[in-house]
Amino acid sequence: DAGVTQSPTHLIKTRGQQVTLRCSPKSGHDTVSWYQQALGQGPQFIFQYYEEEERQRGNFPDRFSGHQYPNYSSELNVNALLLGDSALYLCASSTEGSRETQYFGPGTRLLVL
Amino acid sequence: AQSVTQLGSHVSVSEGALVLLRCNYSSSVPPYLFWYVQYPNQGLQLLLKYTSAATLVKGINGFEAEFKKSETSFHLTKPSAHMSDAAEYFCAVSSGTYKYIFGTGTRLKVLA
Repeated sequence: DAGVTQSPTHLIKTRGQQVTLRCSPKSGHDTVSWYQQALGQGPQFIFQYYEEEERQRGNFPDRFSGHQYPNYSSELNVNALLLGDSALYLCASSTEGSRETQYFGPGTRLLVL
Repeated sequence: AQSVTQLGSHVSVSEGALVLLRCNYSSSVPPYLFWYVQYPNQGLQLLLKYTSAATLVKGINGFEAEFKKSETSFHLTKPSAHMSDAAEYFCAVSSGTYKYIFGTGTRLKVLA
């Protein structure tokens, strides 16, 4: 049973560029959440997708956007990258019937220079 | 609103000693509580969760946690530390719907 997978594992961008991160949820899961984990901090909630719609959003600017596909996979897009966007981006999946428990992927480490 | 406080950003224990990592939460609704472990350069692995059933929750790798409503605590314990337990541990609270609120983490060091 494949767990949550994310790609790429590492990424280096420069300020002002745009980036797309990808996530495939655990088999049988239909809900995807994204978190940003800055160095030395706990993860912070960015947004959650269910039925291809953004269902809830954390305190992140509109530069952060997402998408969910019919197969439940998801993308996180960040425009106009800032140095402060450097972080580990974690994807978590869950099921609507058991959404209190989220399973996390290994993350994508983004470095903005 | 919900919040989590993890007391002690760094904890050191000797191999074989008791591990105690502290977590206090604040929640206006009955909470769901979680402990996750993160090894270097990896994602988060679920250790255990409290979802309003038994207050003493047993997880993987010999860890357990007790939900104490009167103390708003959910401390993580393990009777005997192993070198492989060295990692960062995160406590999280949820209302059971969408997002988790995480603490700032506790880095556990196990001394030989």
